[in-house]
Amino acid sequence: GAGVSQSPSNKVTEKGKDVELRCDPISGHTALYWYRQSLGQGLEFLIYFQGNSAPDKSGLPSDRFSAERTGGSVSTLTIQRTQQEDSAVYLCASSLGGSGTGGFEQYFGPGTRLTVT
Amino acid sequence: QKEVEQNSGPLSVPEGAIASLNCTYSDRGSQSFFWYRQYSGKSPELIMSIYSNGDKEDGRFTAQLNKASQYVSLLIRDSQPSDSATYLCAVRGLDSNYQLIWGAGTKLIIKP
Repeated sequence: GAGVSQSPSNKVTEKGKDVELRCDPISGHTALYWYRQSLGQGLEFLIYFQGNSAPDKSGLPSDRFSAERTGGSVSTLTIQRTQQEDSAVYLCASSLGGSGTGGFEQYFGPGTRLTVT
Repeated sequence: QKEVEQNSGPLSVPEGAIASLNCTYSDRGSQSFFWYRQYSGKSPELIMSIYSNGDKEDGRFTAQLNKASQYVSLLIRDSQPSDSATYLCAVRGLDSNYQLIWGAGTKLIIKP
């Protein structure tokens, strides 16, 4: 079946502009995660959505970052007034959810490489 | 602060040998453990999950979990150059719902 998809694959923007990154999770997956990965670094958790519960926004680095998930499926990560330090690969993952052990396995999309000039 | 620790490497292993990757975690109540492989420029890919003490084998990969000692390891038998990648360990804590705590990864290099 189809995996997690993300768009665009690459985005170059000027400092100060707003950007929107999109994630389509695996069909039927109730949990969706956003991560950021700077060059040569580990995964930095940003935000996660689980079903209809309020999202966990504890990883968002500043109020310039926001995310929403519409209809329990597609998610958009928005970065306002981009800064050069926002340059990174933004990864989206989804998991099945539920109480079974397989519910916690996260599957990643290909990522969006954001470059702020 | 819940932590997952991995040796950053690089770990260099000759082709055909066994590569051993280790991960320790701080939350004693952790329930679920995962190994991901990340090739340079690519996104992480799930290769193994383990939930109970002992060994779990899948092809050339074996995950080993020891909850008493709070470590999980990944063995790769008959290592191939295509196994060269960064390996990420991820752990789900007792009260972390669906979030995982991630290690920084170990870079593995298989030398022909």
